[in-house]
Amino acid sequence: QQQVKQSPQSLIVQKGGIPIINCAYENTAFDYFPWYQQFPGKGPALLIAIRPDVSEKKEGRFTISFNKSAKQFSLHIMDSQPGDSATYFCAASSGSARQLTFGSGTQLTVLP
Amino acid sequence: IAGITQAPTSQILAAGRRMTLRCTQDMRHNAMYWYRQDLGLGLRLIHYSNTAGTTGKGEVPDGYSVSRANTDDFPLTLASAVPSQTSVYFCASSAWPLRSSYNEQFFGPGTRLTVL
Repeated sequence: QQQVKQSPQSLIVQKGGIPIINCAYENTAFDYFPWYQQFPGKGPALLIAIRPDVSEKKEGRFTISFNKSAKQFSLHIMDSQPGDSATYFCAASSGSARQLTFGSGTQLTVLP
Repeated sequence: IAGITQAPTSQILAAGRRMTLRCTQDMRHNAMYWYRQDLGLGLRLIHYSNTAGTTGKGEVPDGYSVSRANTDDFPLTLASAVPSQTSVYFCASSAWPLRSSYNEQFFGPGTRLTVL
């Protein structure tokens, strides 16, 4: 049972475009929503994270939008660059164990 | 350089053989995790340990075992490997709960395992 659903599975944009990756969840107990970035041959690394008490968080060119009522959150990459080409995972956690539940991943390709 | 190391980098293993994947962190993190990554399925938690001496089962624990004798090491053992365990395995650690309110996890470089 996948508790965090991520789409699309893959995404191709031109340099300067704004790719958007979406995630949806069912568990209303989730209270921490991070995004991880993974380059080929590497482990995932935390990119940006949001708590449900805010609707948007920006860090550089990366923005998370959060819609608590719809139980959805998304990652926007402004002015995308070829170096942003990677696999992106959304995740969520809750409870005392604070274990992360990951989405299935989105492979982003930014064309030069 | 502080971080997580995993060994081996890759391994080809015959079905039925026993295999231990090693994971060591030098960040003095309390929590450690093992994930497997499969195309289209994302990262799935196999086992975790919130602190030395304790372990717990994740989403896909069958066929795997772990131990946490000390803070730094968290080996993952496949007692009798099967082809469905072919995957990329990632170890991760987190300062939660003692030094962080939220579970930022740091990942190792991964072990690519092929079971024939």
